[in-house]
Order: sequence, then C-alpha cells, then structure tokens
Amino acid sequence: QKEVEQNSGPLSVPEGAIASLNCTYSDRGSQSFFWYRQYSGKSPELIMFIYSNGDKEDGRFTAQLNKASQYVSLLIRDSQPSDSATYLCAVTSHNNNDMRFGAGTRLTVKP
Amino acid sequence: ETGVTQSPTHLIKTRGQQVTLRCSSQSGHNTVSWYQQALGQGPQFIFQYYREEENGRGNFPPRFSGLQFPNYSSELNVNALELDDSALYLCASSLGLSDQPQHFGDGTRLSIL
Repeated sequence: QKEVEQNSGPLSVPEGAIASLNCTYSDRGSQSFFWYRQYSGKSPELIMFIYSNGDKEDGRFTAQLNKASQYVSLLIRDSQPSDSATYLCAVTSHNNNDMRFGAGTRLTVKP
Repeated sequence: ETGVTQSPTHLIKTRGQQVTLRCSSQSGHNTVSWYQQALGQGPQFIFQYYREEENGRGNFPPRFSGLQFPNYSSELNVNALELDDSALYLCASSLGLSDQPQHFGDGTRLSIL
C-alpha cells in the first residue's frame, strides 16, 4: 500500500464548476497535510495546508481533513482554465522528519 | 522577500560522474529539504537539513549526500551517477521542522546519458 494515494486522473471539469480532489494516507500518526499545485515543467506551489480535523477555506480553495478516515481533500470552487495543473497531496510522517507526496491528480478545466 | 533559488537549471552528465546541486533558502528559513521527482511521479524525500545538521533521510543510498552552510544555503551531491538518477531535483525551505509549510525552488533538471 502506498503511503499517500491519489487518483491520477485526469479529472476534467467545466469552467465554473467545483473540482474535488481526494487523498488518503496510511500513517495514522501523520500530523500535517498540504496541497501543492504543479504546472507542467514547473515546481510545486503551496496552495493550502491543514493541521486539524474539519474544513479550512482560503478564497476559492477549501481543504478538508478527516483523521479518523485518514482522508484529506481539496475543493476548488468556480474552477478556471488557469487551475489546470497537477495537484499534489503531501503528508508529514509521524516523526515530522520528512514529507511524503502522492503521485498527483491531473486536473483539466475546460472553457 | 527572496524565494528559494536553485542552480543550475539544467545539467547533463554521464554515468559514473559526480554532480553538485545548489540551493539558497528563502529569506528567514533555516530548514532545507531535498526531493527527487521522476517524470509522472510525486517528489520523493531525499533528506532534510536543520541548522546545518541532517534532520532526516529518505530511502536513498549513501552516494546521495548533502551539506547546509551557516547562511542556510545547501548542496546536494550525488556520486557514481546512474541512469535512474535522471530526474527533477527540488529544494524546499521552511522555518523550523518539516511540519511547517515548505516552499520550493524551480528545481534542477538532471539528465544522465
């Protein structure tokens, strides 16, 4: 079992729709959770981070965390073509010495 | 505020050679982490440096080594290069330990022939 799992996609949504990206992790002791956006040929860019169960909103982005289910998600409201990218879920290990990434979900927002 | 900078941008080496990649951390950040990202994969943790000491290491062989300097800049050294070392090498800096958000540089694209 991979430590951090994401659907590879591609996930395709129309412009203006809500995009829902999901991630599960295996280490129950994980404490910090991050979403990064990576455009093709570029480096990852931090979008959101969340430490506690529940929802955290920042503009059009909402991160949701459920530690009991070992599940973290990212919602993108009013999706724009510029949101088309690969979204990486990252989780810190229980000893906080490293960050484990999923393989990423490729999102395409169609005009 | 100066972001994370990496050099060089691209590099081509042959098998068996050695390479040094460099990273300057974001202003005020004292922790640097290095990652290897193969095509179509997520970044894989190599190691982390905090205040000039190695603070954790992923599943990479000893021929991957690193340094952090007093100004918190860092180097990644790879000896005896193999074809599978071809990847994007990413440096990320943060304030404190790795539970804090990490900010990435633009990466170094390493190709091994």
